[in-house]
Amino acid sequence: QSVLTQPPSVSGAPGQRVTISCTGSSSNIGTGYDVHWYQQLPGTAPKLLIYGNINRPSGVPDRFSGSKSDTSASLAITGLQAEDEADYYCQSYDSSLSVVFGGGTKLTVL
Amino acid sequence: EVQLLESGGGLVQPGGSLRLSCAASGFTFSSYAMSWVRQAPGRGLEWVSAISGSGGSTYYADSVKGRFTISRDNSKNTLYLQMSSLRAEDTAVYYCAKHSSSWYTSKNRFDPWGQGTLVTVSS
Repeated sequence: QSVLTQPPSVSGAPGQRVTISCTGSSSNIGTGYDVHWYQQLPGTAPKLLIYGNINRPSGVPDRFSGSKSDTSASLAITGLQAEDEADYYCQSYDSSLSVVFGGGTKLTVL
Repeated sequence: EVQLLESGGGLVQPGGSLRLSCAASGFTFSSYAMSWVRQAPGRGLEWVSAISGSGGSTYYADSVKGRFTISRDNSKNTLYLQMSSLRAEDTAVYYCAKHSSSWYTSKNRFDPWGQGTLVTVSS
């Protein structure tokens, strides 16, 4: 059972917009801790996608965006492409002094 | 280019020990905190342990506290994870990851990650 809750799967057709939610609590996201997002393509290591709730590292397309409100955060992907098919993880920090991850969301491009 | 290369994984019996290494290059190693994150087969990511840039502060997940020890040798640009009293549930790919600062803080993010090394605990 992950500290942060994500939907196990989402799907969308090419060109569509999808969102992935990440729900925490008052001991992590709700405390104001940053949320980061990672993309894990099949058989590869995770890659930083969004940091500090809303920021994109250089090289990440602006089709990817992040937001945060109260005890949850969201990752939005617009103009869905086949290459976006991957697992996505949110990550934050907990008052127990631990880094915490969401359980991951598998994105399927139909 | 920042690179992280893990090694040391393999098959070990329950109760056994193993030491993982992560060789870093392309950045000033001592200026950044580092973490180990693991991923059991078909499962999600689990943070395991972190160490500050100087090596003076260490942090552990409850699931490994007392069994795993993180350390670093800044003269060799290498991060280690000594694992003992291994259990079947420790079976996973272990990734090392670079933090965005020298301290373990609430703003921690991991970038980049190594390619991972597989640890299998089985008799």
